[in-house]
Amino acid sequence: AQTVTQSQPEMSVQEAETVTLSCTYDTSESDYYLFWYKQPPSRQMILVIRQEAYKQQNATENRFSVNFQKAAKSFSLKISDSQLGDAAMYFCAYRTPSGGSEKLVFGKGTKLTVNP
Amino acid sequence: SAVISQKPSRDICQRGTSLTIQCQVDSQVTMMFWYRQQPGQSLTLIATANQGSEATYESGFVIDKFPISRPNLTFSTLTVSNMSPEDSSIYLCSVRTRQGLVEQYFGPGTRLTVT
Repeated sequence: AQTVTQSQPEMSVQEAETVTLSCTYDTSESDYYLFWYKQPPSRQMILVIRQEAYKQQNATENRFSVNFQKAAKSFSLKISDSQLGDAAMYFCAYRTPSGGSEKLVFGKGTKLTVNP
Repeated sequence: SAVISQKPSRDICQRGTSLTIQCQVDSQVTMMFWYRQQPGQSLTLIATANQGSEATYESGFVIDKFPISRPNLTFSTLTVSNMSPEDSSIYLCSVRTRQGLVEQYFGPGTRLTVT
């Protein structure tokens, strides 16, 4: 079974600085999708970024980018120019490709604090 | 993405009772899912809600405890039956909007407390 591990229960960053959140996963599949979701105190899960395993290029969405290392099964999230609104729980998630279960397997999350 | 609403947003219930949670989407979607997030924990998929047929449950979840309906392409309900304090969680509905997309978008969640 696929598993997702986030080894940092909590992280903090100064406003305007850069922070990297770690995620590793275990799978025997060669094709899959990876996601980062953000859950602020309002508890709404918000999709931050996604990465297809077959793409070598790392995904980028404005201040958010990933470092996808397929051989190492690593998928870290970098947040640049951190803002107070970035404070939230961040969850890494894995999904098998279409045709199989669409279940998202989540890590335990990293709580990010942004200090002014 | 889609606009997803859930009712109720929160509730406090007595053990032994049942609660039905509604999930409404503002547009037709291909897939709908129900997740549970226990206090301080990550999300776990309960089941996939299938339109017009029985839901597909994940290991550890059964229909008698979590009956699900999906009468059309925009609406689904999850019932938490015969509740116990261990059922205290946030229940989230998510959707995949259409074929060819892989992202799932989540509703705001329902916070359930069982006393």
